[in-house]
Amino acid sequence: KNEVEQSPQNLTAQEGEFITINCSYSVGISALHWLQQHPGGGIVSLFMLSSGKKKHGRLIATINIQEKHSSLHITASHPRDSAVYICAVDHGGSQGNLIFGKGTKLSVKP
Amino acid sequence: GAGVSQSPSNKVTEKGKDVELRCDPISGHTALYWYRQRLGQGLEFLIYFQGNSAPDKSGLPSDRFSAERTGESVSTLTIQRTQQEDSAVYLCASSFRRSSGGYNEQFFGPGTRLTVL
Repeated sequence: KNEVEQSPQNLTAQEGEFITINCSYSVGISALHWLQQHPGGGIVSLFMLSSGKKKHGRLIATINIQEKHSSLHITASHPRDSAVYICAVDHGGSQGNLIFGKGTKLSVKP
Repeated sequence: GAGVSQSPSNKVTEKGKDVELRCDPISGHTALYWYRQRLGQGLEFLIYFQGNSAPDKSGLPSDRFSAERTGESVSTLTIQRTQQEDSAVYLCASSFRRSSGGYNEQFFGPGTRLTVL
């Protein structure tokens, strides 16, 4: 079993829809990251959180430490949101390297 | 530039050749990471550098892989006697380690796409 599990693997939505991507992890963590990877492009860090909730524009990330679960929400989705969204955890080791989920491929249709 | 840069952006090589990939981290970032992403797969940790400490090489898949970093600047990842299974995007990231021991977010470079024929 992977230490970081994401669902769904693939998601297709219509423009304007509310989107939720889920991440569950099985290890103790010091922080959880949500990353965005565009086709052919690099990886951008969206959020780094260790408790509660963070909001940037139309993106909201929440984490429940007790349940070892995080969600990424996108409100009023737009075709430019189409990308792979990756959940990654910092398991609190001395080096801070991340353990990654396999990603959720989101496609938002106009 | 202000971001993490990597070179080359693309590298095609023949099986058995050695390759060297370069990463320039963000100035002032003490931590540097190399990751690998095979086609259709998630990212895998390869190696970590923090300041002048000994690197954590626990993610390197074989002794054909090695990496160096000069102080807190440039890093090179070397793959000797490349194999077809080494084909992947190699990503570098850098971060700042806080005095409390934790880390800030990681900033990723654009990656080097390696194709081994």
